[in-house]
Amino acid sequence: KQEVTQIPAALSVPEGENLVLNCSFTDSAIYNLQWFRQDPGKGLTSLLLIQSSQREQTSGRLNASLDKSSGRSTLYIAASQPGDSATYLCAVGETSGSRLTFGEGTQLTVNP
Amino acid sequence: GAVVSQHPSWVICKSGTSVKIECRSLDFQATTMFWYRQFPKQSLMLMATSNEGSKATYEQGVEKDKFLINHASLTLSTLTVTSAHPEDSSFYICSARDVKGPYNSPLHFGNGTRLTVT
Repeated sequence: KQEVTQIPAALSVPEGENLVLNCSFTDSAIYNLQWFRQDPGKGLTSLLLIQSSQREQTSGRLNASLDKSSGRSTLYIAASQPGDSATYLCAVGETSGSRLTFGEGTQLTVNP
Repeated sequence: GAVVSQHPSWVICKSGTSVKIECRSLDFQATTMFWYRQFPKQSLMLMATSNEGSKATYEQGVEKDKFLINHASLTLSTLTVTSAHPEDSSFYICSARDVKGPYNSPLHFGNGTRLTVT
């Protein structure tokens, strides 16, 4: 059974700092890996999707990497802003990528 | 962009009553939709896969007679929590993929429904 772990569970940083969120998974036979953002009481916003054959994806200030063999992914956020404050979820897609296994998230607070 | 709409966004009901939650894909069609549940301070757990025109597939431990799923059209799936109890209080979120999009395109999530059973 796939298990997804995210470290740290919570992170508080000053505005402008670069930061890294970590995600690890136990079964390397994945189809894809997706990073989401969730604001309190809200649904999910997809940030980046990495296919199993890819090593990284970039969107603006966000960069996600994938090392399938070691079962790890990182989300790098450059020049953090208070608006980045949210919970960041890592999800592993299996088989066709439709069924996702989520980590418990990293709650990020960026202080002005 | 692709939008998934959930209704209601929140609902409070009394124990023993049933509650229906709708998940609609507004600008795309989805043959498959997914229902997740999220308890406070926990991550999302897949409950069931909703298949248009056929029976839903439930994850282990999820009671299919309690969580009724209907996917009658390519744009609408409903989840009915029957005889709700306080332990069913949770955040329910649906997701869908555009049937005409690339096979490996990302899933789109609704904004969720907060269910509180008193």
